[in-house]
Amino acid sequence: EDQVTQSPEALRLQEGESSSLNCSYTVSGLRGLFWYRQDPGKGPEFLFTLYSAGEEKEKERLKATLTKKESFLHITAPKPEDSATYLCAVQAVYGGSQGNLIFGKGTKLSVKP
Amino acid sequence: GAGVSQSPSNKVTEKGKDVELRCDPISGHTALYWYRQSLGQGLEFLIYFQGNSAPDKSGLPSDRFSAERTGGSVSTLTIQRTQQEDSAVYLCASSPVPDYGYTFGSGTRLTVV
Repeated sequence: EDQVTQSPEALRLQEGESSSLNCSYTVSGLRGLFWYRQDPGKGPEFLFTLYSAGEEKEKERLKATLTKKESFLHITAPKPEDSATYLCAVQAVYGGSQGNLIFGKGTKLSVKP
Repeated sequence: GAGVSQSPSNKVTEKGKDVELRCDPISGHTALYWYRQSLGQGLEFLIYFQGNSAPDKSGLPSDRFSAERTGGSVSTLTIQRTQQEDSAVYLCASSPVPDYGYTFGSGTRLTVV
């Protein structure tokens, strides 16, 4: 069964304290791995798509990396405005639901000034 | 429009009543998805529309749930005979192609009392 596990469930950081969020996945064949940011009361906001092991993408203080079993979202020198829930999702190459994403439960990040 | 629009933003209904939730995707996006987000749970896939193809309904939790997409644009998710366990945030997303980053709406918060 395809599944996504994110850790930790919650993470508290001081402003400027770099850290990483983990996304472990089990999927029959990976078409892509997606990272989203979700603020309270809003829908998820697309951040990155990674397609193959070794791929990396960056956006401001965020950097996403991918291996064959997991992905990391590295946050460098975070600011309070980075506080949000970060969601990881995978899309399988084979499956009855071509096109839909399988989401993890997310990591709730709080950055204190 | 500029983004995915969902209405209503909030809906309170009595157990046993039917509800309709509306999604207006980004113009030109051929793929449209419905997800459900319950408290403490990850996003749960419900249904997927791609162009004029038959929808993928594999995620619908029961036959009380149905969805349609008219003219390849607006979609309506209907829940018949609502139950308390249907209470959740219902999110709609669209994308220009199936494996591209989805753009989510802000969701409809459904409360069944």
